[in-house]
Amino acid sequence: SQQGEEDPQALSIQEGENATMNCSYKTSINNLQWYRQNSGRGLVHLILIRSNEREKHSGRLRVTLDTSKKSSSLLITASRAADTASYFCATIMDSNYQLIWGAGTKLIIKP
Amino acid sequence: EPEVTQTPSHQVTQMGQEVILRCVPISNHLYFYWYRQILGQKVEFLVSFYNNEISEKSEIFDDQFSVERPDGSNFTLKIRSTKLEDSAMYFCASSEVAGGYNEQFFGPGTRLTVL
Repeated sequence: SQQGEEDPQALSIQEGENATMNCSYKTSINNLQWYRQNSGRGLVHLILIRSNEREKHSGRLRVTLDTSKKSSSLLITASRAADTASYFCATIMDSNYQLIWGAGTKLIIKP
Repeated sequence: EPEVTQTPSHQVTQMGQEVILRCVPISNHLYFYWYRQILGQKVEFLVSFYNNEISEKSEIFDDQFSVERPDGSNFTLKIRSTKLEDSAMYFCASSEVAGGYNEQFFGPGTRLTVL
């Protein structure tokens, strides 16, 4: 079943600008996780936010979670060329431990 | 920093052949997972494994698939008779003792190509 859906599907910005990606989901969750994937490579865990948390920071990353709207956002501040990648949100429900994934946002940072 | 490793990085096989994909999870983790990503599509959950047994599996994980922890370090995914549609990137992941509600750490993936 489809759970996380990211938007936009693709985002192209200038280096130094902030990038915001959104994720919506359908069911109640235990937590939501954001991952990065460089082209054709593995999945790198970025940040986990639990259902009782509203905001979390890690370096240049800021994640928010609005459980009433069933949505999350990932903000990357002061973007760098190395941030070019696909970004996925994935959710875990209370009933199991499997990650349910969105389709991802492809982020391109132009130098 | 500990990491999940996977071998091989790329496997090419003929339709109908058996393949075994191998993973070495992070050493103190007890929850293990397989996911796959068909080119250009979403990552999909296949199976989770805890305490030497399957704890969850998806509809994709049919009788052609099996998982095993043959020793204290390896975690394998076997596909008995591969089909063209099994071509995908297969990711192994693990999460730590505290339970599945934690970060899952992924390996670099094995790209399976079925001809």
